[in-house]
Amino acid sequence: RKEVEQDPGPFNVPEGATVAFNCTYSNSASQSFFWYRQDCRKEPKLLMSVYSSGNEDGRFTAQLNRASQYISLLIRDSKLSDSATYLCVVSGDNDMRFGAGTRLTVKP
Amino acid sequence: EPEVTQTPSHQVTQMGQEVILRCVPISNHLYFYWYRQILGQKVEFLVSFYNNEISEKSEIFDDQFSVERPDGSNFTLKIRSTKLEDSAMYFCASSRAYQPQHFGDGTRLSIL
Repeated sequence: RKEVEQDPGPFNVPEGATVAFNCTYSNSASQSFFWYRQDCRKEPKLLMSVYSSGNEDGRFTAQLNRASQYISLLIRDSKLSDSATYLCVVSGDNDMRFGAGTRLTVKP
Repeated sequence: EPEVTQTPSHQVTQMGQEVILRCVPISNHLYFYWYRQILGQKVEFLVSFYNNEISEKSEIFDDQFSVERPDGSNFTLKIRSTKLEDSAMYFCASSRAYQPQHFGDGTRLSIL
């Protein structure tokens, strides 16, 4: 089983749509959880941390279910600039493990 | 906003040669990392470094690889006897304890 597994995508959605990404992780001892975004041939950039109580940052909502080892990201009112690959990232003491990413394309 | 900086942005090397990739982490960060991303594939953890020693390394980080913090600001990744399959984007990252990692914009390594 992969350490961090994401929806394969790609997701192609119109502007204004709501889109949800899911992620599962295998290591129950994982401590921290993040969503990063990566534009083509660029470095990963932190989008948001994910907390057990769920958290929201503008149009983005992240949720964590430790019992199910499941993380989600919801993007509301999607913009053209949201087009990117979204990486689910799970962290232990000294490393971060990345999912393969889900490609999102928002179209006019 | 402080940034992680990496040099060079692109390195082209003959197979079998040694390369050194350089990184300057954010100044108040104490944890340093190297990752690689082969074109079209996912980001892969290589190694983490804290308090002047390796704290964790992946199965990819074999005897061909080494890391060093030669002074108070630089963090380097050395790859000895490079192979074609070492061609990838190499990202350096740094963080404070229990905080998200910040990535440099990467070095593209091309092995010929």
